[in-house]
Amino acid sequence: EAGVTQFPSHSVIEKGQTVTLRCDPISGHDNLYWYRRVMGKEIKFLLHFVKESKQDESGMPNNRFLAERTGGTYSTLKVQPAELEDSGVYFCASSHDRGWGTDTQYFGPGTRLTVL
Amino acid sequence: AQKVTQAQTEISVVEKEDVTLDCVYETRDTTYYLFWYKQPPSGELVFLIRRNSFDEQNEISGRYSWNFQKSTSSFNFTITASQVVDSAVYFCALSLPSGGYQKVTFGTGTKLQVIP
Repeated sequence: EAGVTQFPSHSVIEKGQTVTLRCDPISGHDNLYWYRRVMGKEIKFLLHFVKESKQDESGMPNNRFLAERTGGTYSTLKVQPAELEDSGVYFCASSHDRGWGTDTQYFGPGTRLTVL
Repeated sequence: AQKVTQAQTEISVVEKEDVTLDCVYETRDTTYYLFWYKQPPSGELVFLIRRNSFDEQNEISGRYSWNFQKSTSSFNFTITASQVVDSAVYFCALSLPSGGYQKVTFGTGTKLQVIP
């Protein structure tokens, strides 16, 4: 069974540009999460989808970040326009929804974003 | 709000030594889950273990063992007879099931280097 995949693995852009990160969850997983680790700090929650619906986007830093999950399959996270402080590693995770909030999240390899 | 503290930023040990990674958590909830994830140089977060708040039994898996103590709010991780392949960043995490999903709070990670 394929794990969570993320694309690209590394992106280098200039301040002001736009970048779109993609996450493909484990097949059959309804829950999809985005996290971010900035400058060696802790990994922080950004948002959570159940299928195509955003359940919790309380961790999104500001309105320059837009996440979508059309059709409830893969998800994209767009940063527009990117700022220097957006540099970090963006992780995606997925879990199977059993409705109890108890399932383990399985993480992808992350996308390392560098904003120059 | 919940918090996870991993006071050890970096640890270096010589191969075959035992090493313990500390994790202290804070939460007011009585139902919660604790996790350990491993991040090898390849970047992905590898799930190691999940423990719920009602199960204080220690667990052993090969060279890995975990000591969960609610009295001290700690969930420490010990690697016995460390190997070079154990070199990685290890994250301790806490989640509170809410509304059928989890929002995971991570510690800042402990970088373990095992020297041959």
